[in-house]
Amino acid sequence: DGGITQSPKYLFRKEGQNVTLSCEQNLNHDAMYWYRQDPGQGLRLIYYSQIVNDFQKGDIAEGYSVSREKKESFPLTVTSAQKNPTAFYLCASFSPRRNYGYTFGSGTRLTVV
Amino acid sequence: AQSVTQPDIHITVSEGASLELRCNYSYGATPYLFWYVQSPGQGLQLLLKYFSGDTLVQGIKGFEAEFKRSQSSFNLRKPSVHWSDAAEYFCAVYTGGFKTIFGAGTRLFVKA
Repeated sequence: DGGITQSPKYLFRKEGQNVTLSCEQNLNHDAMYWYRQDPGQGLRLIYYSQIVNDFQKGDIAEGYSVSREKKESFPLTVTSAQKNPTAFYLCASFSPRRNYGYTFGSGTRLTVV
Repeated sequence: AQSVTQPDIHITVSEGASLELRCNYSYGATPYLFWYVQSPGQGLQLLLKYFSGDTLVQGIKGFEAEFKRSQSSFNLRKPSVHWSDAAEYFCAVYTGGFKTIFGAGTRLFVKA
């Protein structure tokens, strides 16, 4: 079955270190997204990409970086510049040729120790 | 401005009771509306969607939602709640340009 794979499920990072979260999809969707989720704050958009080699900042891009070298992959790097990186990170994909709904991965919980 | 409001942060219902989760949106054109469900520690799953036509739409897991243009609402309902329905529910509107606005979510608690 097609879907989105996020890895790892849990990630621990020391302060001052960069860390990269993986997101892979085999749905042939054009667009991919990264959201951050904190308790009681819903989903906040970090970055999104509509096509390969192009991406746009979302509402809370500071301290994060992304790349889109392949249609299937949209990794997110949490840099040391992100002041409060401990959160649940969700990757999603979308295609307007389908049903306009998003398909989400199962998330990565990042904890800074 | 475009927005989605879910007025209830959390709701508690008894198992077997009916459920209604509220959603109001602000969007100038005909909206594409969605409800998603998220179990703890998991991603979001699409429950149902409305694009046009019949204003009462059916989804998975026995959920339905009604679009009311005059009230700018898209409330989610279920006639009889099961303990497994305990989760967080998000209303969303597609605004075009590959972007979707999500509400802040409503957490549903089910008591025995």
